[in-house]
Amino acid sequence: NAGVTQTPKFRVLKTGQSMTLLCAQDMNHEYMYWYRQDPGMGLRLIHYSVGEGTTAKGEVPDGYNVSRLKKQNFLLGLESAAPSQTSVYFCASSYPLAGGPTDTQYFGPGTRLTVL
Amino acid sequence: DAKTTQPTSMDCAEGRAANLPCNHSTISGNEYVYWYRQIHSQGPQYIIHGLKNNETNEMASLIITEDRKSSTLILPHATLRDTAVYYCIVRVGGMAGGTSYGKLTFGQGTILTVHP
Repeated sequence: NAGVTQTPKFRVLKTGQSMTLLCAQDMNHEYMYWYRQDPGMGLRLIHYSVGEGTTAKGEVPDGYNVSRLKKQNFLLGLESAAPSQTSVYFCASSYPLAGGPTDTQYFGPGTRLTVL
Repeated sequence: DAKTTQPTSMDCAEGRAANLPCNHSTISGNEYVYWYRQIHSQGPQYIIHGLKNNETNEMASLIITEDRKSSTLILPHATLRDTAVYYCIVRVGGMAGGTSYGKLTFGQGTILTVHP
């Protein structure tokens, strides 16, 4: 199992450009998440998905869109990148257990994005 | 979700036990205690979780006080590779198909430095 993978690992954008970050998991997990981490700070949830075809907003959704067309993939899009979106982006997935905790999340290696 | 308080940083000698405390005095009866860690530049890694009883796995032990207002993560024989930021997270456990989702709120965590 590869676990959770993220593409690309690094990217530099100019202000106003668009891009899509890809997250893929091979663990058949239902839930998937996108977080961002800024220097010296903890992770903040951007968007999440509780199943194929469903998405929802997290704490800091502005400026981002997501799609979950396939169970194993969760895409994060930046339509018009801004310098404030310079960050490290982490994807995670988890499998909900009936009657139990859902929070054993497995994280990808991260995508380091710089917006100039 | 209950708020947690952790020391900003701790040191530990290699081969000794590392004991990382966490205060969660406002924890509710249905909230779990989770520990994750983040080694420099990598995605967070799940360590252990518990509700009431002490828990042990191949990575660590979790000791939860009887009143559940605090807990301690124990790494029994710390190595240099255990140097990381350790996050204590408290949240309600979710149920498959329920309204809860696996949102994790990452605070500042404790920077653990293991010395040779």
